[in-house]
Amino acid sequence: GAVVSQHPSRVICKSGTSVKIECRSLDFQATTMFWYRQFPKQSLMLMATSNEGSKATYEQGVEKDKFLINHASLTLSTLTVTSAHPEDSSFYICSASRRDGIRNTFGSGTRLTVV
Amino acid sequence: GDSVTQMEGPVTLSEEAFLTINCTYTATGYPSLFWYVQYPGEGLQLLLKATKADDKGSNKGFEATYRKETTSFHLEKGSVQVSDSAVYFCALSDRATNKLIFGTGTLLAVQP
Repeated sequence: GAVVSQHPSRVICKSGTSVKIECRSLDFQATTMFWYRQFPKQSLMLMATSNEGSKATYEQGVEKDKFLINHASLTLSTLTVTSAHPEDSSFYICSASRRDGIRNTFGSGTRLTVV
Repeated sequence: GDSVTQMEGPVTLSEEAFLTINCTYTATGYPSLFWYVQYPGEGLQLLLKATKADDKGSNKGFEATYRKETTSFHLEKGSVQVSDSAVYFCALSDRATNKLIFGTGTLLAVQP
């Protein structure tokens, strides 16, 4: 079956630094990847949609300069949280989708803690 | 816009009890409907799905039927186990964009 690998699973960083999270589709080519954020005891909120080779589309209220998304290949998308602050601490999860059948396979998520 | 409403938790049940988690949706088109499960410390896993009206999704003893007339997709299981303790998310997917819209999640705690 379709497998999506997300790395790292947990990261602790200092306030003001940047953190990169990777999302890889291991056995299929993902034309679209989605990035979600989950606040404690709340649902997942879609942050942005990235299509391979084009700029990401951000949802309303998501700062594109703070959450940089790159989808340079059909198997890899990255989310970089720039100049992280404690309020950016959250659970970030990606999902990958292929136009012709494999849809919305999730990675295992990244727990980001900014101290 | 499209939205999903599911019952608030936590839901606490004894082992072998019957489970129902309600989910209703609003959508302009004909979405696909999903239930995802998130076990403690893990990411989301697809539990079951239904792509058209009257379809029944089922997996691991869980079932949900796509009811267009009531815009519902309630999750049921006849006999829960301690290992079913998790957060369950109802979601819909826009067919054109593949975007998932999630409900707020329902925490299920099954006690031995």
